[in-house]
Amino acid sequence: GQSLEQPSEVTAVEGAIVQINCTYQTSGFYGLSWYQQHDGGAPTFLSYNALDGLEETGRFSSFLSRSDSYGYLLLQELQMKDSASYFCALPGAAGNKLTFGGGTRVLVKP
Amino acid sequence: DGGITQSPKYLFRKEGQNVTLSCEQNLNHDAMYWYRQDPGQGLRLIYYSQIVNDFQKGDIAEGYSVSREKKESFPLTVTSAQKNPTAFYLCASSTGRDNYGYTFGSGTRLTVV
Repeated sequence: GQSLEQPSEVTAVEGAIVQINCTYQTSGFYGLSWYQQHDGGAPTFLSYNALDGLEETGRFSSFLSRSDSYGYLLLQELQMKDSASYFCALPGAAGNKLTFGGGTRVLVKP
Repeated sequence: DGGITQSPKYLFRKEGQNVTLSCEQNLNHDAMYWYRQDPGQGLRLIYYSQIVNDFQKGDIAEGYSVSREKKESFPLTVTSAQKNPTAFYLCASSTGRDNYGYTFGSGTRLTVV
């Protein structure tokens, strides 16, 4: 099976940097994805890492180390609108199921 | 604009009743999925379908049923056998040919009264 672990909550102030760690276990690896979900809303895709290293998309970056079964999402220049839950997720083979971690709630304070 | 439409947004059900949640997509995606989300928790897979007329159980399929008669539609029925159906239900789709970029609908919040 697949499992993912991430911290339950992180609090930071506007303009700060937050790192959300994710460790995973899986028998077959097809990449690590990150999603953002605002309260009551739909999850939206943020990033995907198939290979080791850092992927940068604007203020958000995602990192993967396959040898450590570890990844993180880096949120820079935090804004109030970044207050949301962030999920790491393991895709199966193409077209197969997506397994989610429990989510990290990020609270941005003024 | 292409996307996934879930209806209704809010649904109330009496205990012992079956209820069907609608999910329609116009993205021409082959694969569709149903997830359940409980407060403060992650998403758990109920059922998924990779092609029309075929679907597989996810991690928490007991008490649920689905059909996939059309590519665009993947309705979920919550049966009276589901012991704790109150939750937020999310439908998603993907091309089935890559491992990222799943698109989600806006969800249906089901409450048993």
